[in-house]
Amino acid sequence: DAKTTQPTSMDCAEGRAANLPCNHSTISGNEYVYWYRQIHSQGPQYIIHGLKNNETNEMASLIITEDRKSSTLILPHATLRDTAVYYCIVRVAAGGYQKVTFGTGTKLQVIP
Amino acid sequence: DVKVTQSSRYLVKRTGEKVFLECVQDMDHENMFWYRQDPGLGLRLIYFSYDVKMKEKGDIPEGYSVSREKKERFSLILESASTNQTSMYLCASSLAGVTTNEKLFFGSGTQLSVL
Repeated sequence: DAKTTQPTSMDCAEGRAANLPCNHSTISGNEYVYWYRQIHSQGPQYIIHGLKNNETNEMASLIITEDRKSSTLILPHATLRDTAVYYCIVRVAAGGYQKVTFGTGTKLQVIP
Repeated sequence: DVKVTQSSRYLVKRTGEKVFLECVQDMDHENMFWYRQDPGLGLRLIYFSYDVKMKEKGDIPEGYSVSREKKERFSLILESASTNQTSMYLCASSLAGVTTNEKLFFGSGTQLSVL
């Protein structure tokens, strides 16, 4: 699995968009980008994933650069409940037998 | 919704004890994972399993073993607990091989303290 690099921490004002970057310069052609978040004292929760096209769901948007070496998770209107650690990982989408590794993530603090 | 249940939320054990952490999922997932989480170190993969009786080492398997006798249950075993195994342990599961979205579902975690 490719490694990812994320900033250790970020702040965002409540109501503003939170843009969380992730570098994955060694990503392979068959690897997807997945985002998870972990609210304090809970297990991580899936947010979104994508291969090369931008993706949007009810929680967030995912922008992947054309060369696929980096991506940005966008929370369009951050709320205090979005305060969490956000993890970006890359992995093959399907096929079992795969190690799924996380890094240290980005701690997002949403400020009132 | 998928439910991943870890048997204990908090556990206190003594050095040298054999410790079992149990994880059960209810969605017939092939893949199951054990992670530990420590401040500043993120989630680190201990072991994973992609089928009954199959297991693979993760990044930090030393001092741990696992058991998967049934598809829904994945147990993490600390053969002789040590204080440096004090940590939050997280179990996860996912489908395999049939979808392009093998998202992981996590349990709530077990905070293990070894005294």
